[in-house]
Amino acid sequence: EAQVTQNPRYLITVTGKKLTVTCSQNMNHEYMSWYRQDPGLGLRQIYYSMNVEVTDKGDVPEGYKVSRKEKRNFPLILESPSPNQTSLYFCASSLGGAKNIQYFGAGTRLSVL
Amino acid sequence: GENVEQHPSTLSVQEGDSAVIKCTYSDSASNYFPWYKQELGKRPQLIIDIRSNVGEKKDQRIAVTLNKTAKHFSLHITETQPEDSAVYFCAASGSNAGKSTFGDGTTLTVKP
Repeated sequence: EAQVTQNPRYLITVTGKKLTVTCSQNMNHEYMSWYRQDPGLGLRQIYYSMNVEVTDKGDVPEGYKVSRKEKRNFPLILESPSPNQTSLYFCASSLGGAKNIQYFGAGTRLSVL
Repeated sequence: GENVEQHPSTLSVQEGDSAVIKCTYSDSASNYFPWYKQELGKRPQLIIDIRSNVGEKKDQRIAVTLNKTAKHFSLHITETQPEDSAVYFCAASGSNAGKSTFGDGTTLTVKP
């Protein structure tokens, strides 16, 4: 089954404790992205990747890191989480090209205390 | 960079009525405009999309129109049903296929 898998689905942590949210896709998609969703603010792109070892900043990259060492995986790293990073996070993948349809993971709800 | 504005933020209609959600974009280089539906507690999923070389596209009860000159596009849902209740997002992307900008979302409520 074609899918984008995120883990964990729920995470409660404390300020400053490094964490990683994993994302994996089995569709051989070139493009992968991370978004955060906050009430009234829609989906804001954090980082995206066009291929292995190629990443770029989205609209809200501050406080986040990413890496793309393998085509299928695109982890999101928060090296020193702060309460303003409490949010719902979605990973997405797409083929790119003429129709950039995004396929989203189920989401990770993060609370930073 | 691209800026996408979406209106209204909330929309309530009676079952069977039509619903229209509008988006404007700022970057004339944008050429792909998808619409996503997000049901409560679920992930966003594509419901319809349009490319800049097309003015209108229909799929059963939903349609999207695009006015490139005015830089706006709209989602039309006819004969609304309670299961259409959800948050709808518009988005825009261009030559950089990795970069997508979403609107802030419209919460549609269809009252039976």
